[in-house]
Amino acid sequence: RKEVEQDPGPFNVPEGATVAFNCTYSNSASQSFFWYRQDCRKEPKLLMSVYSSGNEDGRFTAQLNRASQYISLLIRDSKLSDSATYLCVVAFYGGATNKLIFGTGTLLAVQP
Amino acid sequence: DAMVIQNPRYQVTQFGKPVTLSCSQTLNHNVMYWYQQKSSQAPKLLFHYYDKDFNNEADTPDNFQSRRPNTSFCFLDIRSPGLGDAAMYLCATSRDGGRTGTSGRYEQYFGPGTRLTVT
Repeated sequence: RKEVEQDPGPFNVPEGATVAFNCTYSNSASQSFFWYRQDCRKEPKLLMSVYSSGNEDGRFTAQLNRASQYISLLIRDSKLSDSATYLCVVAFYGGATNKLIFGTGTLLAVQP
Repeated sequence: DAMVIQNPRYQVTQFGKPVTLSCSQTLNHNVMYWYQQKSSQAPKLLFHYYDKDFNNEADTPDNFQSRRPNTSFCFLDIRSPGLGDAAMYLCATSRDGGRTGTSGRYEQYFGPGTRLTVT
């Protein structure tokens, strides 16, 4: 079983749609959680951290369920510019320093 | 602007010819990481430095080495590149690796990557 699992997609949605991505992780010792965004042939960029209480940043809402080891990202009112791969990332303290474990990403294509 | 810089952005090397990729940061972060990312795959951690302490991942081939001469710079050396080493190599930094037990969020900030082609 992969440490971080995501539906690879692609998710093809029209502009203005609401889309949700899910992610599960296997290591219960994971301590921090993130969503990164990666555009084609570019580096990953931090989109938002994910907290147990849930957090929102504009059109983006992230949720964490530690009991189920499940993370979600909701994008409302999708824009063409949201088209990218969304990487679910978990971090845990690996003995020397923190380590990030990446999911393989979910590809989102927003259509005009 | 403070940032993570990687040079070169594109590197072509011949099979078996040593190559060095460089990373520099102006963030003054303690920790620097090297990842390998192949097409449609997740970034895979190769190793990292916490200050001068080197931490190798168990499955990183011996062909890959790293140097960190000072806080700002970190190098990835591939001693004998094979065709399978063609990938994007990403450098990342974080302020605190969690070693101090702080409740840091462990965010990592990535450079733009070096795309390596092996001919």
